[in-house]
Amino acid sequence: KAGVTQTPRYLIKTRGQQVTLSCSPISGHRSVSWYQQTPGQGLQFLFEYFSETQRNKGNFPGRFSGRQFSNSRSEMNVSTLELGDSALYLCASSPNNRGVFSGANVLTFGAGSRLTVL
Amino acid sequence: DQQVKQNSPSLSVQEGRISILNCDYTNSMFDYFLWYKKYPAEGPTFLISISSIKDKNEDGRFTVFLNKSAKHLSLHIVPSQPGDSAVYFCAASRGNQFYFGTGTSLTVIP
Repeated sequence: KAGVTQTPRYLIKTRGQQVTLSCSPISGHRSVSWYQQTPGQGLQFLFEYFSETQRNKGNFPGRFSGRQFSNSRSEMNVSTLELGDSALYLCASSPNNRGVFSGANVLTFGAGSRLTVL
Repeated sequence: DQQVKQNSPSLSVQEGRISILNCDYTNSMFDYFLWYKKYPAEGPTFLISISSIKDKNEDGRFTVFLNKSAKHLSLHIVPSQPGDSAVYFCAASRGNQFYFGTGTSLTVIP
């Protein structure tokens, strides 16, 4: 089956602009998470959506927002872009919503959207 | 607060030898630990996991060891191959929340 698809793969914006990134999860996966990867910082958790509801949120400013649609597709938006927002933004989907006793809840990642802010 | 730490940013190993990647965590409530591998321009791919009630899990050339008393896990790759050169991320999960380390860049020298 098709993997996690993220669009666009690459984009360049200038400070102050806003950007929207899109993620299509694996069919049947209801949980979608977003991560920011920067050199030396690893994968920083942004937020997780399940059934159109934000279930978990990381420690990012309110300029970072997201949403999930009824078909589980998700978007994230960053407003008033800053130079420090330049990063690889990764989306991951997972099927498991049953909690700790149903096996490892494995995230499947997309290839990412590389954002450069000038 | 970094709950999962990978203190070695990079590691170089000769082809055929063992690669050992290390990871430390702080939260004793994590229920699973996972390793992901990432090549440039690709998303991380799942490699192997271990439940918090186990101390070892093996899958081919990859073995993960968990030492709960030390809050430490390690990934062993034997034998190492040039295609294993990538960034390896350690992750810990509790339910649907995941915490990732900063990654270790492994270079396997032919």
